[in-house]
Amino acid sequence: EIVLTQSPATLSLSLGERATLSCRASQSVETFLAWYQQKPGQAPRLLIYDASYRATGIPARFSGSGSGTDFTLTISSLEPEDFAVYYCHQRINWPKFTFGPGTKIDL
Amino acid sequence: QVQLVQSGPEVKKPGASVKVSCKASGYTFSTYGLSWVRQAPGQGLEWMAWINTHSGGTKYAQNFQDRVAVTTDTSTNTAYMELKNLGSDDTAVYYCAIIEGVDFWGQGTLVTVS
Repeated sequence: EIVLTQSPATLSLSLGERATLSCRASQSVETFLAWYQQKPGQAPRLLIYDASYRATGIPARFSGSGSGTDFTLTISSLEPEDFAVYYCHQRINWPKFTFGPGTKIDL
Repeated sequence: QVQLVQSGPEVKKPGASVKVSCKASGYTFSTYGLSWVRQAPGQGLEWMAWINTHSGGTKYAQNFQDRVAVTTDTSTNTAYMELKNLGSDDTAVYYCAIIEGVDFWGQGTLVTVS
């Protein structure tokens, strides 16, 4: 099973600041890596797929990069609605997915 | 538009089983497989199972291999996830989701084991 680790567990930032979230895979997932955002009481929402492609309707301030085992989600300038938990998700073993433990961005 | 509507909250005793439904609409049911993902309170996302809605083929996470079964009723475009021998650590929100190039999630079903 591919294990995903995320760092940091919590990121305390202010409005307008840049957020950099990391995800590391226990073995190569090539670029089959996605990022989700989840707010309390809501289902996860896809932000990025295939490591660097924004999903439909996702603002340009969200960007993804990386390949192999190391990936990054960057939010260029935090908006109020961006304070949430972010999960990385590997899809190379489709449909046997795994998720990372999450990074919480709080104020 | 694609919608996945799940059944309502459940409260179960330890050792019991639960069956959660996921009714799909807005697309041809057999086009996409359906995954089941759960989230314990304050915890992360855990993939449990997947069903091919065309063939009925299934894949299960090793952690749930012996206790979970996913099925479909193509006459009603509904998928089901049954989890047996519930324990307190099965208390969670259970989601059905399409994670296949497109991405759609149900609203989640809270299962409480107490």
